[in-house]
Amino acid sequence: GQSLEQPSEVTAVEGAIVQINCTYQTSGFYGLSWYQQHDGGAPTFLSYNALDGLEETGRFSSFLSRSDSYGYLLLQELQMKDSASYFCAVDTDKLIFGTGTRLQVFP
Amino acid sequence: IAGITQAPTSQILAAGRRMTLRCTQDMRHNAMYWYRQDLGLGLRLIHYSNTAGTTGKGEVPDGYSVSRANTDDFPLTLASAVPSQTSVYFCASSDTSGGAADTQYFGPGTRLTVL
Repeated sequence: GQSLEQPSEVTAVEGAIVQINCTYQTSGFYGLSWYQQHDGGAPTFLSYNALDGLEETGRFSSFLSRSDSYGYLLLQELQMKDSASYFCAVDTDKLIFGTGTRLQVFP
Repeated sequence: IAGITQAPTSQILAAGRRMTLRCTQDMRHNAMYWYRQDLGLGLRLIHYSNTAGTTGKGEVPDGYSVSRANTDDFPLTLASAVPSQTSVYFCASSDTSGGAADTQYFGPGTRLTVL
């Protein structure tokens, strides 16, 4: 079977750093994506890792370890607008989404 | 039109009724997808289309059908709605069918309630 695990909720304060972990078990694997979704909105693409290592895009970074079936999304200099749900998704030719991590940023 | 549009925005439907959710994209993307999103379950793929004229089944296809007569449109039909199909439905598209390396762009969603 295929499964992804990520924490259901994370809280942090403005300006802090938060890491959202994702572990997966899949029968095929091409890469790991991260999507952001604000309440009532549509998911939007944040990042994609096909190879091991860290990918940085502004305040957001994403990491992948294929040997450990593990990845994380790192959000730095948190802002109130970062309060949203974050989904990891495994690319097995089609996307398999995790159940999401709700991030609440407090002032 | 810019990106992906879905219609209707929301709908309340009696069980047993037929319903078609519409999805149109203007980005000339090859691949299109339908997902449902339920609380605590994330996004689950219902059906997909790698290119016009072809469709495939996702994780949860039962009770749903799709067609892809052209590049832009990808309607999702519930032939006889049941309460368990109450959900938020998202349509998405990507430039090729090669997997997640091709960013998926999502429509605004349709909130469907089946009573």
